[in-house]
Amino acid sequence: DAGVTQSPTHLIKTRGQQVTLRCSPKSGHDTVSWYQQALGQGPQFIFQYYEEEERQRGNFPDRFSGHQFPNYSSELNVNALLLGDSALYLCASSFLPGDLNQPQHFGDGTRLSIL
Amino acid sequence: AQSVTQPDIHITVSEGASLELRCNYSYGATPYLFWYVQSPGQGLQLLLKYFSGDTLVQGIKGFEAEFKRSQSSFNLRKPSVHWSDAAEYFCAVGSAGRRALTFGSGTRLQVQP
Repeated sequence: DAGVTQSPTHLIKTRGQQVTLRCSPKSGHDTVSWYQQALGQGPQFIFQYYEEEERQRGNFPDRFSGHQFPNYSSELNVNALLLGDSALYLCASSFLPGDLNQPQHFGDGTRLSIL
Repeated sequence: AQSVTQPDIHITVSEGASLELRCNYSYGATPYLFWYVQSPGQGLQLLLKYFSGDTLVQGIKGFEAEFKRSQSSFNLRKPSVHWSDAAEYFCAVGSAGRRALTFGSGTRLQVQP
C-alpha cells in the first residue's frame, strides 16, 4: 500500500519563475493538504483540497494556488518565485476533511531551492 | 488564534537515558494535540495524538505524552532513548472544524552513545 508520494524530490528555480509540485495521496484518502516548511521551522499550512475545491487556506499570498484532480491527486503551483519561497513543501493526505480523528499522512516532501 | 511553543530548540541525551520534550499550546477550547517526528530528508510521522479522555496517551516507538490543561502543556516522554530516536520532533495543535494543524518550531534531539 503506497503512502503519500510527492514529485519531484528536489527542484531548483530562479526568482520570478513558476513551479508546479505534485502529490498523490495514500490509497483511500480523499483530502490533500499542503504545508511549507522553511529551514529550521515547523510546517506552515498553505491550503487544503477536498472534492476538487480549496476548502481552507492559510496565510499565503495568491501566488500560491492549487488543484485537485478527480483521482484525488493534487498540484501546488507557485508563481513569481521569491528567494523566501525556498523550503520543503509537504503534502499530507487524510480521509474526510475537518475530522482530525482521521490522521494525516505526510509525504517526504519536495525540496525547492530558489537562486 | 492557536499557537504552539516548543521552548527547547536542541536537546542532547545519552542512549538509555529518559527523555522529555516540552510543548505548550495556546487555544481557547479543548485542543486536538499531536506529536510528529521527522528524520532528515523525510516527511512527518505521527507518534501519538490526544483528543479527549485519558490524559496520558501512548504512542508508537515507546513514546507517551501527558495532557495537562492547567498548564496548557502536552509534553512528550520516553523512559529509555535509543540512538535511532535522533530526529526532529514537532508538537502540533488542531481544533474541531478547522482543517489545518498549527506546528511548533520543533526540537532537535541528539542521542549520545
